[in-house]
Amino acid sequence: AQSVAQPEDQVNVAEGNPLTVKCTYSVSGNPYLFWYVQYPNRGLQFLLKYITGDNLVKGSYGFEAEFNKSQTSFHLKKPSALVSDSALYFCAVRERDDKIIFGKGTRLHILP
Amino acid sequence: ETGVTQTPRHLVMGMTNKKSLKCEQHLGHNAMYWYKQSAKKPLELMFVYSLEERVENNSVPSRFSPECPNSSHLFLHLHTLQPEDSALYLCASSLGTERPYEQYFGPGTRLTVT
Repeated sequence: AQSVAQPEDQVNVAEGNPLTVKCTYSVSGNPYLFWYVQYPNRGLQFLLKYITGDNLVKGSYGFEAEFNKSQTSFHLKKPSALVSDSALYFCAVRERDDKIIFGKGTRLHILP
Repeated sequence: ETGVTQTPRHLVMGMTNKKSLKCEQHLGHNAMYWYKQSAKKPLELMFVYSLEERVENNSVPSRFSPECPNSSHLFLHLHTLQPEDSALYLCASSLGTERPYEQYFGPGTRLTVT
């Protein structure tokens, strides 16, 4: 069965520093991988996805994620954090012909 | 932000009440979803509709009853709920279910069962 893990409940980063939010997954075949962000009192908002091809995926608001098949990871990154990036981030995985599964979320705090 | 709307935004109901949550998407999508979001738990997929046909029901108790009258509207009918059903209920839509299309979410309905 497929699964996704976000090992950190919370990540604190100083404004201007690079940020990483971790995600690992487990599937029996090739995965589709997603990142979503949730701001307070809002629904989830799509950031980026990996389907196939280039392992580095670029998304909205300057975020990117790197698909690493050998480490079964899909970490979210940004070179320089903004205070407005503070939010709840969800990684999700979908195996072909199967349903999407979300991680439990990582709360990102960007400190001014 | 206005692509998927949900009403009401907040709902307080007793365990014997009957209420309905409404979702509307203005994106021309063919698939719609209901999720339950509880604190410190992964997002739980409840129901999936594709072209108004239910294609997934993830062992959700019968006190939750979905309805999809057309591809733009989705309802979640609630009756005799339990306090543990208190959560944020999110609706989402996507172009379809057969490919890895991203989902577009509404702002959610915050449900409190007393």
